[in-house]
Amino acid sequence: KAGVTQTPRYLIKTRGQQVTLSCSPISGHRSVSWYQQTPGQGLQFLFEYFSETQRNKGNFPGRFSGRQFSNSRSEMNVSTLELGDSALYLCASSLGDSLETQYFGPGTRLLVL
Amino acid sequence: SQQGEEDPQALSIQEGENATMNCSYKTSINNLQWYRQNSGRGLVHLILIRSNEREKHSGRLRVTLDTSKKSSSLLITASRAADTASYFCATRTRRGAQKLVFGQGTRLTINP
Repeated sequence: KAGVTQTPRYLIKTRGQQVTLSCSPISGHRSVSWYQQTPGQGLQFLFEYFSETQRNKGNFPGRFSGRQFSNSRSEMNVSTLELGDSALYLCASSLGDSLETQYFGPGTRLLVL
Repeated sequence: SQQGEEDPQALSIQEGENATMNCSYKTSINNLQWYRQNSGRGLVHLILIRSNEREKHSGRLRVTLDTSKKSSSLLITASRAADTASYFCATRTRRGAQKLVFGQGTRLTINP
């Protein structure tokens, strides 16, 4: 089976712009979670989608949003980018309705200038 | 805030030696998982231990869990250069929002 894929792998944006990141989960996985990783804050949970519904949400501002499509692919959007949004954004997929054994993609590295 | 806190933050050992990393957490958990990350890439799932388990093995990995002390340890035996990576513990809480909460990680360096 193919692993979790994320596109694009690298992205450079300027403050105030918006960005959309994409994640394709492992075939058959219905849960997709997003995480932000920065040197200062470490790995932080953004949100989780299951069957096209946001099921869990972390403590991030409303500028961070996401959605999941019927084929379980997920997108994450960040509007009005700030310098502090520069990070590695990781997507993870898992089976069923739990957060156990999440399989991570390679990540999208976002740099905001 | 981070649920898990790894100790030490960095560890450097010689190839062939054993490496032990510890993780402490604050609230009740459903399970605890260990992940490895190489040079800012994606995380690789290593092992999951449930709250009612005390020890688990997978190849050269041994994980223990002490729920009374809210702590876990990851032992890598007979280390190899390829084990050089950052290791994270992550907890799934029993109450509240069901999300995976990661610690800050231990940076492990295996010297040849």
